[in-house]
Amino acid sequence: LAKTTQPISMDSYEGQEVNITCSHNNIATNDYITWYQQFPSQGPRFIIQGYKTKVTNEVASLFIPADRKSSTLSLPRVSLSDTAVYYCLVLFSGGYNKLIFGAGTRLAVHP
Amino acid sequence: GAGVSQSPSNKVTEKGKDVELRCDPISGHTALYWYRQSLGQGLEFLIYFQGNSAPDKSGLPSDRFSAERTGGSVSTLTIQRTQQEDSAVYLCASSLLPPPPLYEQYFGPGTRLTVT
Repeated sequence: LAKTTQPISMDSYEGQEVNITCSHNNIATNDYITWYQQFPSQGPRFIIQGYKTKVTNEVASLFIPADRKSSTLSLPRVSLSDTAVYYCLVLFSGGYNKLIFGAGTRLAVHP
Repeated sequence: GAGVSQSPSNKVTEKGKDVELRCDPISGHTALYWYRQSLGQGLEFLIYFQGNSAPDKSGLPSDRFSAERTGGSVSTLTIQRTQQEDSAVYLCASSLLPPPPLYEQYFGPGTRLTVT
């Protein structure tokens, strides 16, 4: 069964590093893992994408182990504006292709 | 350039009525996706279009749901005989190319559907 699993919620404080992990056992062998951020009443917004090892951009890093059964989004030095819901998105294949978003991790950043 | 737009932004309908939701993707994007997000929940994949090819309908929850994409651009999601459980925000997204692999998806603001 194609499924992704994320923690439901996390709390942090300004200036701290936040790591959110998503598990995805049956990801397509040649596909990327993507993370999105969503604020209330808005559509999700792309944060970062990776295939393996580590990817870094101006807002986040993404760590993917060799077996690719999980991925960890790392947000360095979060601020109040990082309070949002974070989703991992993977493409599962197995007779058909299907896009699966995780249930989302609600991150609350406190002053 | 313009992003993904959706209309209407809000729709209230009575149970049993049909509704049409519209999505205008980013110009030049060949892939278009529809998702459903129930209150406080994650995103549920419904359907995606690759250019003018027949869509992948594997995520549609019932045969009351259908979608079309005319001319490889604008898409309409139709829900027939709406039920209260259809109440949700319907999000549309587009990407430059279709999967696989996954390309960055650009989301519209969504249509909030309320079935009374």
